[in-house]
This record gives sequence, structure tokens and C-alpha cells, in this order.
Amino acid sequence: DIQMTQSPSSLSASVGDRVTITCRASQGVTNYLAWYQQKPGKVPNLLIYGASTLQSGVPPRFSGSGSGTDFTLTISSLQPEDVATYYCQKYNSAPWTFGQGTKVEIK
Amino acid sequence: EVQLVESGGGLVQPGGSLRLSCAASGFTFRSYWMSWVRQAPGKGLEWVANIKQDEGEKYYVDSVKGRFTISRDNAKNSLYLQMNSLRVEDTAVYYCARAGLNWNIPVNVWGQGTTVTVSS
Repeated sequence: DIQMTQSPSSLSASVGDRVTITCRASQGVTNYLAWYQQKPGKVPNLLIYGASTLQSGVPPRFSGSGSGTDFTLTISSLQPEDVATYYCQKYNSAPWTFGQGTKVEIK
Repeated sequence: EVQLVESGGGLVQPGGSLRLSCAASGFTFRSYWMSWVRQAPGKGLEWVANIKQDEGEKYYVDSVKGRFTISRDNAKNSLYLQMNSLRVEDTAVYYCARAGLNWNIPVNVWGQGTTVTVSS
């Protein structure tokens, strides 16, 4: 099965900083890669699908890129409400594996 | 309003069984792939199973194969997860989730989750 590895596992950044999270697949998943945000105590929320398509209603400061095995989620200007854990997920075929998550905090 | 409401969670002993249910509303349930995703306490998300609209395709994570069965009743707008031979490591919040009209659309609607605790 394809493994999904995110880095870093956690990060602390200042409001307004540019934040980048990386997701690497052990084999190619073309562009079948989604990013989710899970705020503390809340249900996950889809941010990006198809590696780079922003889900409706998601602020444009979020963006995704990549294809094949290497993907990134970028928050262009970190806001206090972005404190959350972020997960990538591949969905090209079963199993639809998630990455282990990246916890984002405000410095 | 699109809504998914899970039920059926609870405390069960190792080796026991539970059946989770998910009531869907606000969308044409029979048109969508559906999923179960779980999250152990303090841990990350784990995809558990997917089911096609007509139950013609079902997929499972290796750790639950042979123990869990995903099913649906389109007439009742309901999704189910029959969980047998439960293990302590199955303890988690179980989310019912809606995927897409096609297999290659990720989950984009989530229920609030139901908690399953496996303990003696």
C-alpha cells in the first residue's frame, strides 16, 4: 500500500507568516490528493482536492500544489483561526490513506 | 441542509460487536459514494471503508478486513458499519462521510461522529 508522509509533524509560526506543509507519497498518486483542516474539537474540513483545486468557501490564502509523489499545502498569511491539524489524503485507489497530520500553532 | 448523523456507538468488550448507523439528509444519498473514517483518541484520521452507490464495490483498510462490513440502504438514506471481533485498537470516533458521485472525489461532508470504546 502507498504510504503518505507529512512534514513537519508540527510547526509554530507568527501571524502573517507564510506556512508550507509537505506531503510525500511512497508511490505516485497522480493528482488525487486532498488536504483537510481539523480544528481542535471539530470535524475535519476539506480545503483542497485534485492537489490544487480550492474547495468552495475556503479562503484564498490556502493553496496546494504538486503531482505524482510530492505535494505542498501553503498558507500565504497565517491567521489565528488557522490553528489546526492539517492532513493530506490520497484517493486514487483504496486504501484512501491519510498522512499523519501536521499541527499548526501560533508563535 | 446536507446532514449526516451517526448513531450506535458505545462501550463494548473485546471480541464483541457493534453496528453503526448514519442517517443522511439534504442530498440525493443514492447518488454518492460513502465512507467511514475513524480517529483514535489523540491520534490522526484513518480511512476505514468506502462503498459505491449500488454496493457493487466496497473497500476496506487492511486492519478491519474480515471483521467490518460496510453497507447501505438507499431507500432509507442510511449507511451502516457492522463491526465484529472488536479490538481495543478499534477504539475511536467513527465518522460517516460523503464522497463524490464518482470514485475519484474525496470526502467533502462529514458527520459529527459516534464514539466506540472497546474495553474490558
